[in-house]
Amino acid sequence: GAVVSQHPSRVICKSGTSVKIECRSLDFQATTMFWYRQFPKQSLMLMATSNEGSKATYEQGVEKDKFLINHASLTLSTLTVTSAHPEDSSFYICSASNQGRGEQYFGPGTRLTVT
Amino acid sequence: GQQLNQSPQSMFIQEGEDVSMNCTSSSIFNTWLWYKQDPGEGPVLLIALYKAGELTSNGRLTAQFGITRKDSFLNISASIPSDVGIYFCAGRTGNQFYFGTGTSLTVIP
Repeated sequence: GAVVSQHPSRVICKSGTSVKIECRSLDFQATTMFWYRQFPKQSLMLMATSNEGSKATYEQGVEKDKFLINHASLTLSTLTVTSAHPEDSSFYICSASNQGRGEQYFGPGTRLTVT
Repeated sequence: GQQLNQSPQSMFIQEGEDVSMNCTSSSIFNTWLWYKQDPGEGPVLLIALYKAGELTSNGRLTAQFGITRKDSFLNISASIPSDVGIYFCAGRTGNQFYFGTGTSLTVIP
């Protein structure tokens, strides 16, 4: 149980375009979903936390207008990188949590490359 | 956000050896979690701990929730090549999760 999927697994886009990444909890209802960014050989950097039906809470330094997060249902959250630039290239990972369980389950990640 | 102190940062061990890593925090947590991340993939939950003093095993892995609720350790016994990866601890309070800086494990056959 506790499977989280993420799509796409890899995406290459041109500078200036927008990219949407989907995160789904497949076998449980996720009251909260998290979005992380990870640079090579580094730990997870939390970008934002989203609760179903509410606006996302962004970490300091993360531009909410650039990284649009929507958590429309208990099983789906999306991250849209708007007007992507090469410096946005990174590994983006979502995770889902059911507060009753106190655990967090991660998706497989999305490798974004902006050319 | 806050990051937990995780040590060691990296380990190089011979196959068959035991491994120990730990995390400490200045804050009290309600849950401690241990994850393993393989290159290019998301972290996978290994063990979850819910009570101070709790000792839990998952195969060759054993983890403990420190009595003070500010620390946790993970042991791996009789390491094998597929144990290679980065291990992260995480502490939870309410709906906030804080991650360690990771321990990179290399197992030499």
